[in-house]
Amino acid sequence: NAGVMQNPRHLVRRRGQEARLRCSPMKGHSHVYWYRQLPEEGLKFMVYLQKENIIDESGMPKERFSAEFPKEGPSILRIQQVVRGDSAAYFCASSPRQGRNTEAFFGQGTRLTVV
Amino acid sequence: DQQVKQNSPSLSVQEGRISILNCDYTNSMFDYFLWYKKYPAEGPTFLISISSIKDKNEDGRFTVFLNKSAKHLSLHIVPSQPGDSAVYFCAANYDGQNFVFGPGTRLSVLP
Repeated sequence: NAGVMQNPRHLVRRRGQEARLRCSPMKGHSHVYWYRQLPEEGLKFMVYLQKENIIDESGMPKERFSAEFPKEGPSILRIQQVVRGDSAAYFCASSPRQGRNTEAFFGQGTRLTVV
Repeated sequence: DQQVKQNSPSLSVQEGRISILNCDYTNSMFDYFLWYKKYPAEGPTFLISISSIKDKNEDGRFTVFLNKSAKHLSLHIVPSQPGDSAVYFCAANYDGQNFVFGPGTRLSVLP
């Protein structure tokens, strides 16, 4: 679990500001997944990326949310013009490959609070 | 439409007894199933997995059973310990797809 690094652990933003959440996958992992957990709810899939490519963004809200995983550097989940409803825990997971019988390993999460 | 369901939001078990957590799925394409454990304010931790070619996988105190015809899997923890108290998530995927998670079951192991 400690291998996937997310920062910051806690982020407070005022309504209308931008939030940037970073995720460095485990060494050797080229696949990254972002999930959101609202209070008292399960993990909701947002986006699945491979280096420089978005594989599946079907869980991502159409507006204000974007994600990238550049060739160099961490994956970034960006939320523009945050609203109170964006307050949640955002988890990143990574896996070494696509395909069968692959586990995903999670980071500690970023807890976003919009005030 | 929830593709992965965990119909028990919570479960309480006495220390030393067996804990059985259940999970049902609807998508027949799923061929790999995983269980994760989550403590408050931490990320989910991978526990155990099972491929659709098997019906049982065991790792220490944890055993996962898969019934493909019923689209049902279960996680058995025996003996249960107070440190097992956490939220348990069932997840599923198939080739090249993302991991779909259930809503979780909160397990409380009472001393």
